[in-house]
Amino acid sequence: EDKVVQSPLSLVVHEGDTVTLNCSYEVTNFRSLLWYKQEKKAPTFLFMLTSSGIEKKSGRLSSILDKKELFSILNITATQTGDSAVYLCAPNSGGGADGLTFGKGTHLIIQP
Amino acid sequence: GAGVSQSPRYKVAKRGQDVALRCDPISGHVSLFWYQQALGQGPEFLTYFQNEAQLDKSGLPSDRFFAERPEGSVSTLKIQRTQQEDSAVYLCASSFSDRNYNEQFFGPGTRLTVL
Repeated sequence: EDKVVQSPLSLVVHEGDTVTLNCSYEVTNFRSLLWYKQEKKAPTFLFMLTSSGIEKKSGRLSSILDKKELFSILNITATQTGDSAVYLCAPNSGGGADGLTFGKGTHLIIQP
Repeated sequence: GAGVSQSPRYKVAKRGQDVALRCDPISGHVSLFWYQQALGQGPEFLTYFQNEAQLDKSGLPSDRFFAERPEGSVSTLKIQRTQQEDSAVYLCASSFSDRNYNEQFFGPGTRLTVL
């Protein structure tokens, strides 16, 4: 059975801090890993990672994948209150269901 | 439309009622997924369509859940004889390819409350 563990489950920091969110996974036939940001509504796509060691960057957000150790991290630098959300990690497995397997998410709260 | 839309946005049902949830994917998207998200949890996969074909329904929790996409576009998730444990947000997502190697675009969800 596919398994995704995100940590921490919740995190409260002050504006301007840097945060690192973790995602470890065990899936059959790994294809890619996706990160989503979920505020009150639908998850919105952040990154898709397929190769180990190659950092993807978008503004203050960056993410990297380690396929040997089976984890990914999402970094947010110079956090802002608008970064407050649940961050979901979802490895895509080619075995079993074609849908994504989501972790429980990290609930990030940025205090002014 | 610009994105995935779902209706209704909120649904309250009495236990035992049947409900139907609609999803309009992004035009031209081949793949369509349904997820169930309980409070405080990540979305859990229910079922997957490639065009009109339902290729995977392994996540449907019981035979009370049924999904269809008869013309390969709009999809309906039907829940018969609703139970309180069915209360959740039901998310629909679509993807332009026939495999979810690419990002899935999510709709706003339907929040179902079963009393």
